[in-house]
Amino acid sequence: DGGITQSPKYLFRKEGQNVTLSCEQNLNHDAMYWYRQDPGQGLRLIYYSQIVNDFQKGDIAEGYSVSREKKESFPLTVTSAQKNPTAFYLCASSRDVNTEAFFGQGTRLTVV
Amino acid sequence: GENVEQHPSTLSVQEGDSAVIKCTYSDSASNYFPWYKQELGKGPQLIIDIRSNVGEKKDQRIAVTLNKTAKHFSLHITETQPEDSAVYFCAATLGGAQKLVFGQGTRLTINP
Repeated sequence: DGGITQSPKYLFRKEGQNVTLSCEQNLNHDAMYWYRQDPGQGLRLIYYSQIVNDFQKGDIAEGYSVSREKKESFPLTVTSAQKNPTAFYLCASSRDVNTEAFFGQGTRLTVV
Repeated sequence: GENVEQHPSTLSVQEGDSAVIKCTYSDSASNYFPWYKQELGKGPQLIIDIRSNVGEKKDQRIAVTLNKTAKHFSLHITETQPEDSAVYFCAATLGGAQKLVFGQGTRLTINP
């Protein structure tokens, strides 16, 4: 089945550790996005990529890093510099910015 | 900065009544306006979208209207059903930055 997959669904890490969240899509989409969602909050854009080997910072990029070495993959690393990393992280992809974005099921990261 | 404002943050209606959620945007170059529905613990899913060359679009019980002059767009759900209970997000593309920005979300509750 075509779709976008995030893994793992739940992730626990100790404070001070870097952690990488996986996002893979087989929809042949050029654009991919990472959003952060806090309880009762909207979706805030962390990073986005319109094409392979290129990406831009979103509104809350500090403490995060990404790579886009393959069209299908857009992993997000939450670094120890992110002061409040516990949140629900959503990855999405679309053919381009003006078409439907498909979301993964999300990764709930808890840092203790 | 460039953003999307969504109101109300919570909405409770009786089953069978209509629900309306409103959004405003700041970038006059925005040209794509999707609406997403998010159920608990899942990623958002597109329910309807509209482009800047159209003033209204309808899909069964769901409709979206766009007023480009006033820079606002609205979601209308008629004959609401219990399964319509969810969080709804509006979004707009920022033409210059080529990114998709979301509103803060509306938690809709349908009372039987």
